[in-house]
Amino acid sequence: DTGVSQDPRHKITKRGQNVTFRCDPISEHNRLYWYRQTLGQGPEFLTYFQNEAQLEKSRLLSDRFSAERPKGSFSTLEIQRTEQGDSAMYLCASSYLAGPNFHEQYFGPGTRLTVT
Amino acid sequence: GDSVTQMEGPVTLSEEAFLTINCTYTATGYPSLFWYVQYPGEGLQLLLKATKADDKGSNKGFEATYRKETTSFHLEKGSVQVSDSAVYFCALKGTSGSRLTFGEGTQLTVNP
Repeated sequence: DTGVSQDPRHKITKRGQNVTFRCDPISEHNRLYWYRQTLGQGPEFLTYFQNEAQLEKSRLLSDRFSAERPKGSFSTLEIQRTEQGDSAMYLCASSYLAGPNFHEQYFGPGTRLTVT
Repeated sequence: GDSVTQMEGPVTLSEEAFLTINCTYTATGYPSLFWYVQYPGEGLQLLLKATKADDKGSNKGFEATYRKETTSFHLEKGSVQVSDSAVYFCALKGTSGSRLTFGEGTQLTVNP
């Protein structure tokens, strides 16, 4: 297993368009997280899943954002009617629910979104 | 709510210098504490962690000790290398929920 993967790595879109990002976690990890990172800042939590259940959502996740993890494996994050303020790096992370390392979240390379 | 405060950067050091990056936190109970590193053009990597008071996390010559009395988790390295140039993030996982709360990051540049 090569770690958490994200696709695409870069996305440029025009304001008002919809975009969708995909995250594939480490295969045995049952928790999956989405974060957003703007330039010069630390990542901010958006939402997380345990298997296919979405257990927590941040207030940052407006109604234009939706995330799914339909079969408890990969996840998608969709942004509808994008705004320039949505420009950021979107990070995915995964972790295992149990065991000695269950606190540890492993991050993917991110998807950089630019809204023009 | 939970929060993490890191020392302001950027930090510029010469090779073999001693490094300290300060991190303090606000959280209820006993959170788990982490340092992540982001090398240029790469994703976040877990550097070290501590899950209970007085624990010391260590990796690649870096160390940090979980100090409950001062709510701190300062990162130290005795002799930095040019390859340590990166952005370092302090983070915590609170006692309820699974989200990580990050500090703003500290840019470290090590000159030869």
